Amino acid sequence: EIVLTQSPGTLSLSPGERATLSCRASQSVSSNYLAWYQQKPGQAPRLLIYGASSRATGIPDRFSGSGSGTDFTLTISRLEPEDFAVYYCHQYDSSPQTFGQGTKVEIK
Amino acid sequence: EVQLLESGGGLVQPGGSLRLSCAASGFTFSSYAVSWVRQAPGKGLEWVSTISGSGARIYYADSVKGRFTISRDNSKNTLYLQMNSLRAEDTAVYYCAKGRGSAYPNHYFDYWGQGTLVTVSS
Repeated sequence: EIVLTQSPGTLSLSPGERATLSCRASQSVSSNYLAWYQQKPGQAPRLLIYGASSRATGIPDRFSGSGSGTDFTLTISRLEPEDFAVYYCHQYDSSPQTFGQGTKVEIK
Repeated sequence: EVQLLESGGGLVQPGGSLRLSCAASGFTFSSYAVSWVRQAPGKGLEWVSTISGSGARIYYADSVKGRFTISRDNSKNTLYLQMNSLRAEDTAVYYCAKGRGSAYPNHYFDYWGQGTLVTVSS
């Protein structure tokens, strides 16, 4: 099973600042089968990024994904008030599909 | 507009059973794999099970294998999860999610339902 480790656990930033979230896999994720989701309290996860770097429909371009192999990054270029949430990475390269433990982006 | 609406959650005693449903609309249901993903209170996301569009291929997490059964009725655009021998550690919000991409495991989840809470407690 591929274990995904996200860091940091919590990121305290102010609106307008840049957020950089990391997702490290215990083994290589082939074909960049890596997605990112955003989850707000009491809501379902929302797809942000798939294929490591492709933005989902309707996702603002301040969200970007990068990386390959075992190291992946989600970057939010300038935080908007609605971006404060928990973010999860997800590998869909091998069974079982697995998720990272999440990174909480909170208002500083 | 794609919609996924779960129902059937509730309080059940350890060892008991529950059946969850997920009504889908806004897309050709039979053309897509759908999955159950759960989230224990205050915890992260855990994939539970996936069924292919035709229902011919089914996959389970080891944690639920032999206790849970996924199924679908394409004539009713509905996904099911029959949960037996429930344990306290099965307590979670259960989401249904639509797969996008290739056959399992090579698909991500582009739409999610709002979830239904299952609580296993005496």
